[in-house]
Amino acid sequence: GENVEQHPSTLSVQEGDSAVIKCTYSDSASNYFPWYKQELGKGPQLIIDIRSNVGEKKDQRIAVTLNKTAKHFSLHITETQPEDSAVYFCAATLNNAGNMLTFGGGTRLMVKP
Amino acid sequence: DVKVTQSSRYLVKRTGEKVFLECVQDMDHENMFWYRQDPGLGLRLIYFSYDVKMKEKGDIPEGYSVSREKKERFSLILESASTNQTSMYLCASSSPTSGRLDEQFFGPGTRLTVL
Repeated sequence: GENVEQHPSTLSVQEGDSAVIKCTYSDSASNYFPWYKQELGKGPQLIIDIRSNVGEKKDQRIAVTLNKTAKHFSLHITETQPEDSAVYFCAATLNNAGNMLTFGGGTRLMVKP
Repeated sequence: DVKVTQSSRYLVKRTGEKVFLECVQDMDHENMFWYRQDPGLGLRLIYFSYDVKMKEKGDIPEGYSVSREKKERFSLILESASTNQTSMYLCASSSPTSGRLDEQFFGPGTRLTVL
């Protein structure tokens, strides 16, 4: 089955700096890679996703890149703000696998004002 | 907006007790999922269901069972709770027929402590 590894497990940045979280996956057949953000006391919420037919996707201050050859993908947050502080999870799935997601271990991002 | 609710935010049970965790979604989603969340391990899938009365094992089904008698409700059952089942439990739903077919919507979680 799929295995997703995520690094770092914790990340502390100054407000305004950029943050990068990296994930690797094992199954070359995986073709959908979402990122979820979990704020304190809440369930995870989808913030951005990418499919294997594109290499990069942006949505305002967040972007995701995908390298299929190396089987890794990354989340980039620019101009970080205190409200970006949360736990972030990457995931991978084969689209026709019934929407079953395999999650990484999570990254706790702390943005210091 | 999609809403996924879980019956309890915090639950404390004794070893050997039978425990029911309930999840309800209000968007007529076909798919429902139960995960457990542990530090450093991310979210691990316990069971999922594609339809009423259907269930499939996830990655860690041992010690758990599920029930889906109605489309909107998916229950996780710990037949005989053990201390290693102390965890955060998250329910999610999704719909392959909606415009957001790959997105899973999560409830707020139930933090279960087994003493």
